[in-house]
Amino acid sequence: AQKITQTQPGMFVQEKEAVTLDCTYDTSDQSYGLFWYKQPSSGEMIFLIYQGSYDEQNATEGRYSLNFQKARKSANLVISASQLGDSAMYFCAMREGDAGGTSYGKLTFGQGTILTVHP
Amino acid sequence: AAGVIQSPRHLIKEKRETATLKCYPIPRHDTVYWYQQGPGQDPQFLISFYEKMQSDKGSIPDRFSAQQFSDYHSELNMSSLELGDSALYFCASSLVNEQFFGPGTRLTVL
Repeated sequence: AQKITQTQPGMFVQEKEAVTLDCTYDTSDQSYGLFWYKQPSSGEMIFLIYQGSYDEQNATEGRYSLNFQKARKSANLVISASQLGDSAMYFCAMREGDAGGTSYGKLTFGQGTILTVHP
Repeated sequence: AAGVIQSPRHLIKEKRETATLKCYPIPRHDTVYWYQQGPGQDPQFLISFYEKMQSDKGSIPDRFSAQQFSDYHSELNMSSLELGDSALYFCASSLVNEQFFGPGTRLTVL
């Protein structure tokens, strides 16, 4: 079974508008971490945001916020005030067995969503 | 701030040759990961090291091996290269929650 599902192969947004990229996950672990990465056409993998399963507040990093709905097992990324430079592939990823405060554990990625920002 | 360093950035090899990819993690990070990303694919976990000991192993072919040295840098050794090994290879490192990726090594096998 797919552990991370990103159902939107591609998304389009107008510059300066907000956009939500969907991510659902499947795990039986009580402790896990959720990540979002941006991969521009140049290929590098840029860390955006992290949410721990026990974090009560939704994570925010500048224009990025993570809409974490634990009961629905969803971890959607919200990008506010989109910019042309936000056009890229976005990956959602999960680290299972996240023992809060430790780094141990591989990431499992979704298939990604290509975001295109129109001027 | 220091980032993960990978070398070389690009590598072209012939089939059946060997390749060595190097990774220098962010200073004081205690865990190093290797991932392989094929064309149009998501990254797939290969292997990881925690404090210089192998901590986890994914879908890494037997032709590949890796190690982490006393200075915490890591090397991924790939032998008997096949066309299907052509991919972007990432090294990542972490200390607390975030996992930071290097720029990747793009390997092309001809």
